[in-house]
Amino acid sequence: SQQGEEDPQALSIQEGENATMNCSYKTSINNLQWYRQNSGRGLVHLILIRSNEREKHSGRLRVTLDTSKKSSSLLITASRAADTASYFCATKAAGNKLTFGGGTRVLVKP
Amino acid sequence: GAGVSQSPSNKVTEKGKDVELRCDPISGHTALYWYRQSLGQGLEFLIYFQGNSAPDKSGLPSDRFSAERTGGSVSTLTIQRTQQEDSAVYLCASSLGRGDGLQPQHFGDGTRLSIL
Repeated sequence: SQQGEEDPQALSIQEGENATMNCSYKTSINNLQWYRQNSGRGLVHLILIRSNEREKHSGRLRVTLDTSKKSSSLLITASRAADTASYFCATKAAGNKLTFGGGTRVLVKP
Repeated sequence: GAGVSQSPSNKVTEKGKDVELRCDPISGHTALYWYRQSLGQGLEFLIYFQGNSAPDKSGLPSDRFSAERTGGSVSTLTIQRTQQEDSAVYLCASSLGRGDGLQPQHFGDGTRLSIL
């Protein structure tokens, strides 16, 4: 079974709006990572947050992590049509394996 | 610089045939991963290589699946006697593989496998 579960499964917004998606996981983690996947392409790493961090920013991206609730959120501010993609959270426990969630499909309408 | 390269990009084959998928990682990346992604789903881990050895093969779904890596670089994933449920996109990723676990994975665009 998947470690991470994203919510919502799909999200449709207008360009300029913010997009928020959440990820829940089940076991203790070393870090949590967010990836983006454009249609027909591989995944692209966006941001990594360590288990001892609570919030991290990268450009228009803001990630939070609440280890007590085993959850994370990804916020994309001022969305653009080019942000249309699927977004996946991935957790790293012991070892080198990442466990991916099912993803959130984001559609940004121009 | 060059990213992770996978070939072929698409493969259509008949049920029962063997297929071989290739992954060429980023130069210098010691860690290599294979994943499977069914339509509209997340990624399912298959196998992890550190150098030429595979310390974690836990995701291989059956003994029809095998993978090898030679020279610490190119990897091939082989599926024998393919079944229709093997249809999926097979993604390869590589990373620097340092022990700190903080290295992001870099993905290829995948091989879309269709079993008729």
